[in-house]
Amino acid sequence: DARVTQTPRHKVTEMGQEVTMRCQPILGHNTVFWYRQTMMQGLELLAYFRNRAPLDDSGMPKDRFSAEMPDATLATLKIQPSEPRDSAVYFCASGRTGTGGYTFGSGTRLTVV
Amino acid sequence: QQQVKQSPQSLIVQKGGISIINCAYENTAFDYFPWYQQFPGKGPALLIAIRPDVSEKKEGRFTISFNKSAKQFSLHIMDSQPGDSATYFCAASWGTSGSRLTFGEGTQLTVNP
Repeated sequence: DARVTQTPRHKVTEMGQEVTMRCQPILGHNTVFWYRQTMMQGLELLAYFRNRAPLDDSGMPKDRFSAEMPDATLATLKIQPSEPRDSAVYFCASGRTGTGGYTFGSGTRLTVV
Repeated sequence: QQQVKQSPQSLIVQKGGISIINCAYENTAFDYFPWYQQFPGKGPALLIAIRPDVSEKKEGRFTISFNKSAKQFSLHIMDSQPGDSATYFCAASWGTSGSRLTFGEGTQLTVNP
């Protein structure tokens, strides 16, 4: 089965450090999403891309978060500087225009201490 | 208008029973309604989805019922099994061009043996 691959699976970092999370979408999928999951807020959309162009990043704190797709096989989410409130599971999902279903990766569990 | 409201927050069912999870939405532009299943440590996985031109869709033990006039849809799990114990999310989006998914708050289902 085709998979969305996220790295790292777990990350523990100190407050103020830069964190980079990576996602390899499924080959042929042209839409990529970044979601954040917490107990309090549930699944929140941070950003999404279609054909590598950013369509909506209104869910991201712009001063510290950035999302990019340097090529069709890689999406990145960066936090700089990280804060304890950023602790969450970050999911990447990909899909293809014209279909409704999206495939999620297994997530990156981020802990900022 | 972007919200999807889900209930109950948690549900306990005996093996063999019927599990029912409900969702309601406001945005009449939504035209795709998927349900996702999430196990601990995993990303959400697409379970079943419906478009508003039908009132019901069944796949195995899982059925979506859709009421367009009431702007509500529900997931029914027949003959619930302990392996169905997971968190279930309803979601909604519009268009088939890879638009963002808006998720409900999630329902933690426990099926007792």
